[in-house]
Amino acid sequence: GAGVSQTPSNKVTEKGKYVELRCDPISGHTALYWYRQSLGQGPEFLIYFQGTGAADDSGLPNDRFFAVRPEGSVSTLKIQRTERGDSAVYLCASSPSGANTEAFFGQGTRLTVV
Amino acid sequence: GIQVEQSPPDLILQEGANSTLRCNFSDSVNNLQWFHQNPWGQLINLFYIPSGTKQNGRLSATTVATERYSLLYISSSQTTDSGVYFCAVKGDSNYQLIWGAGTKLIIKP
Repeated sequence: GAGVSQTPSNKVTEKGKYVELRCDPISGHTALYWYRQSLGQGPEFLIYFQGTGAADDSGLPNDRFFAVRPEGSVSTLKIQRTERGDSAVYLCASSPSGANTEAFFGQGTRLTVV
Repeated sequence: GIQVEQSPPDLILQEGANSTLRCNFSDSVNNLQWFHQNPWGQLINLFYIPSGTKQNGRLSATTVATERYSLLYISSSQTTDSGVYFCAVKGDSNYQLIWGAGTKLIIKP
């Protein structure tokens, strides 16, 4: 597609449930990032992929969060045993390569844990 | 790590006014981007500008890397310019964008 695509746009889940959020990056972009954004704040880094491997996962808040990118394109962010504090907008971005290239963001997935 | 400060935090203007938004950063950067987050939450790329000056219609930006700041200029503001403007940078030792707190711009008709 022309831009970064994220699905679903909105997700409401019950506390304790498992959720998966999907990101389809711009075709040909090798770098992929996940961020999350709480109301009134800037995005917070979660994880960075270069190709299939997670080059930096230092932003994942705990072991309930995990992300994969098995074929170097689509990525899935997985959250186990969701908590109300996980409620946020989860943003995905991609760029042609690593540090010195422009990143483009998807529209985000708004996750609400009730 | 790199610190990013944006000013002003809030700005309310009448339609047609001009504005200047500032981004200061604490260390050398190899990537600097300006984004507009619209009221629906979408982050829209405005400029990729680690150094130099760029213009796109009513918007322009200048980054003076040696003095560690960037400026975003908006001329002849329109109500659709309302939203939050973010500056984000990358340094040599990090892969992710480091974000400022944003400038919330409200343009009144």
